[in-house]
Amino acid sequence: AQSVTQPDIHITVSEGASLELRCNYSYGATPYLFWYVQSPGQGLQLLLKYFSGDTLVQGIKGFEAEFKRSQSSFNLRKPSVHWSDAAEYFCAVGARGGDYKLSFGAGTTVTVRA
Amino acid sequence: DVKVTQSSRYLVKRTGEKVFLECVQDMDHENMFWYRQDPGLGLRLIYFSYDVKMKEKGDIPEGYSVSREKKERFSLILESASTNQTSMYLCASRLRAQLGNTGELFFGEGSRLTVL
Repeated sequence: AQSVTQPDIHITVSEGASLELRCNYSYGATPYLFWYVQSPGQGLQLLLKYFSGDTLVQGIKGFEAEFKRSQSSFNLRKPSVHWSDAAEYFCAVGARGGDYKLSFGAGTTVTVRA
Repeated sequence: DVKVTQSSRYLVKRTGEKVFLECVQDMDHENMFWYRQDPGLGLRLIYFSYDVKMKEKGDIPEGYSVSREKKERFSLILESASTNQTSMYLCASRLRAQLGNTGELFFGEGSRLTVL
């Protein structure tokens, strides 16, 4: 079965600074990879996903993520953070074939300071 | 756009009560899911349904049951609510899992349940 680790529980970043959120997965083959964002009191919204092809994936709200097979990682980045990016971010991994169930990480909470 | 609607955003129930959480999606998705979200634990899968009248246990099904009588509706049932079921419950849906489909989930806004 696949699993996901998000090593950082909480990150504080200044508005305008860059942001990187780490995600490591465990899976025996090439997985599907996702980043979701959850604003306070809301459900999860898909930021981006990796299916195949180019390992640098662009998403919504100016986010991007890079799939690194050798490191089993799928880190999320944003060059310049806005106050509205304060939220909880979840990395998820899905297995190809079978029932395609997703496994989620524990989440990283991002605080943006002015 | 896909819309997943959870009928109750906030509920307060007493220990021992029967609780129904309803979820409706409008995109004809075959698969539907119920997750529980707790701080530090991420999302844990309670039950999922591949299609109408089909259900499978997820990682934490104890104390819960589900019903999928119509394709668009997936209900989560707490037969006898307990305080340790106080949590945020998230419903999600997606297209049938198959080759070429990435398995992306679409989520509702969540139902926050407090059991006293």
